[in-house]
Amino acid sequence: GQSLEQPSEVTAVEGAIVQINCTYQTSGFYGLSWYQQHDGGAPTFLSYNALDGLEETGRFSSFLSRSDSYGYLLLQELQMKDSASYFCAVPSLNQGGKLIFGQGTELSVKP
Amino acid sequence: ETGVTQTPRHLVMGMTNKKSLKCEQHLGHNAMYWYKQSAKKPLELMFVYNFKEQTENNSVPSRFSPECPNSSHLFLHLHTLQPEDSALYLCASSQVKAGAAINEQFFGPGTRLTVL
Repeated sequence: GQSLEQPSEVTAVEGAIVQINCTYQTSGFYGLSWYQQHDGGAPTFLSYNALDGLEETGRFSSFLSRSDSYGYLLLQELQMKDSASYFCAVPSLNQGGKLIFGQGTELSVKP
Repeated sequence: ETGVTQTPRHLVMGMTNKKSLKCEQHLGHNAMYWYKQSAKKPLELMFVYNFKEQTENNSVPSRFSPECPNSSHLFLHLHTLQPEDSALYLCASSQVKAGAAINEQFFGPGTRLTVL
């Protein structure tokens, strides 16, 4: 089977840097995605890592280590609007298009 | 706007009612999905449609009945629901390519369902 683990909650202050970790167990692996979801809203795609290393997109970066079955989402210069839930996800090997989501990490940014 | 629309945005229904949720994607994608998200819980995949064919029913009770008349539209028909079915129901779409892993799904805003 496939499963992902991430912390349930993270708290940080405005302007800080926060890292949200995700470890996965899969029988095969294509890549790791990250999604952001504000309270009551739709999840939106943030990033995808298929290869090891760091991918940077503005204030957000995502890292993958395939050998460690581990990735993280790095948020820099935190803003209040970054308060949201963040989900890591991997594609299912059995059904085209299906994603397996982690439990989600609720990030609270304080003034 | 993600290119995926859902109606209604909010729905309150009794346990004996029959209602339908509608999803439409304007992205030309060939796969669509229904998810259930209960309060403070992760996304639970309910149904997957690839090329209008249902490829997954994730052990969903029969009181939820999906319909995909074409690659742009997806419905979720509801009947005799239970209060524990109250949740946010999200629709998503993606472009499935043979032999390639999908890395991005586009979600609609969801329907907030309350069952009394």
